[in-house]
Order: sequence, then structure tokens, then C-alpha cells
Amino acid sequence: GQQLNQSPQSMFIQEGEDVSMNCTSSSIFNTWLWYKQDPGEGPVLLIALYKAGELTSNGRLTAQFGITRKDSFLNISASIPSDVGIYFCAGPANTGNQFYFGTGTSLTVIP
Amino acid sequence: DAGVIQSPRHEVTEMGQEVTLRCKPISGHNSLFWYRQTMMRGLELLIYFNNNVPIDDSGMPEDRFSAKMPNASFSTLKIQPSEPRDSAVYFCASSAGTGSASLAKNIQYFGAGTRLSVL
Repeated sequence: GQQLNQSPQSMFIQEGEDVSMNCTSSSIFNTWLWYKQDPGEGPVLLIALYKAGELTSNGRLTAQFGITRKDSFLNISASIPSDVGIYFCAGPANTGNQFYFGTGTSLTVIP
Repeated sequence: DAGVIQSPRHEVTEMGQEVTLRCKPISGHNSLFWYRQTMMRGLELLIYFNNNVPIDDSGMPEDRFSAKMPNASFSTLKIQPSEPRDSAVYFCASSAGTGSASLAKNIQYFGAGTRLSVL
């Protein structure tokens, strides 16, 4: 099946640092979504991207839809302890009715 | 708004037993999704419904798994018989859209999940 690969797999950063993570696919996606999952909870949508090249911000978060439509990036500026969690990229298949989540990036923020 | 409600939060059972997971979607939402999350395979879509009708069940691992949505406010995911490899966190999500638009354009709201352990 489809594989969305995220990197890095995990990150340990100091509070206040900026964070950058990305997601790549072997096939084209027309929509990219970024979710965050807190421990013991379900994923929550952070940002949605619908057009190649689109750059969208949500507070300290900024995400971009890659021009090739095979990748997307998420940046977090001035990280804070509550940014801790697992970040997933996700999107629907170009054809058919499947929906895929990436492998996840685990973020730890050290106060 | 109560959000997506799943029960139970935790389930421990023995191999061979029947397991039923329950989900109440957000009122007014037309689409409902069942996911499974494991360390090895991450988050996988098992099945989703539009207006109570199953649209795609290609993610259901095998015949031991079945899902129903008898009405707009309730869905079940059943495993019979359960096996240790079924141990995972199972999430239910709902969204307001229908058809292919529900996948692309409509936000999926997730429940807190059911952590299943099959011994």
C-alpha cells in the first residue's frame, strides 16, 4: 500500500528552538494534512493544504505543499513544552477511497 | 460538543474471545472512520462509512473483523475471534462531508481511542 515517510523519526530540542519536519510520498497527493497526537489521545488536525506550492500558517506552525505534490513540510517556530507529541502527515489517495497517515515524527521539547 | 465518543477506553481479553468496540460520532456528521494504530504499522484506515453505508473496507485485515453502522449515531467494530496480533489502539473518527470529499476536504475528528490487549 501507500507509504508516507516522515523524517526525522524523532526529535529532541530545547524550548524556544525552531522545528522542521517533512513528509514524502512515492505518488502524487492532491491534499496534505498535518495532525498532532498527544499521548493517550486521538490525532487532531493542525493544518490542511490543498494546492501545490501552498504555504499556510496556524499560529507558530507553518506548512507547505511541495511543488512536486509528493512532499510537504511542517515548521514550528519558538517551540514550547506543549508542542510535545507525535506529528503525522496524512492525505487521501489520488485514486480510490483510501486515506493514509505518515510514519510520524515524535517531538520532545526540553524546558 | 461532546466530540467523538469511544468505548471502552481499555479492553483486555483472551485470545479467541469476541471483542466489540463502540463509537458515537459527532452529531450531524455524515462520515465515520475506523483506524488501527500499532508501533509496527502506524495508523491504518480499516473502513469508512458515508451516511451509514460502508464505502471502502479494503483496510480490514481479515474476515475476523467486521464493522456496522446501524444508524447515524452509532457504529461498532467487532473482532471474532480475537488474536494477540490484534492488540492495538483503535480509533474512530467522524467528519461532516460525504463521498470522496469527505476524505479530502473535511476535517476528521478523532475519538480518544480504545486500547485493546489480547492475551
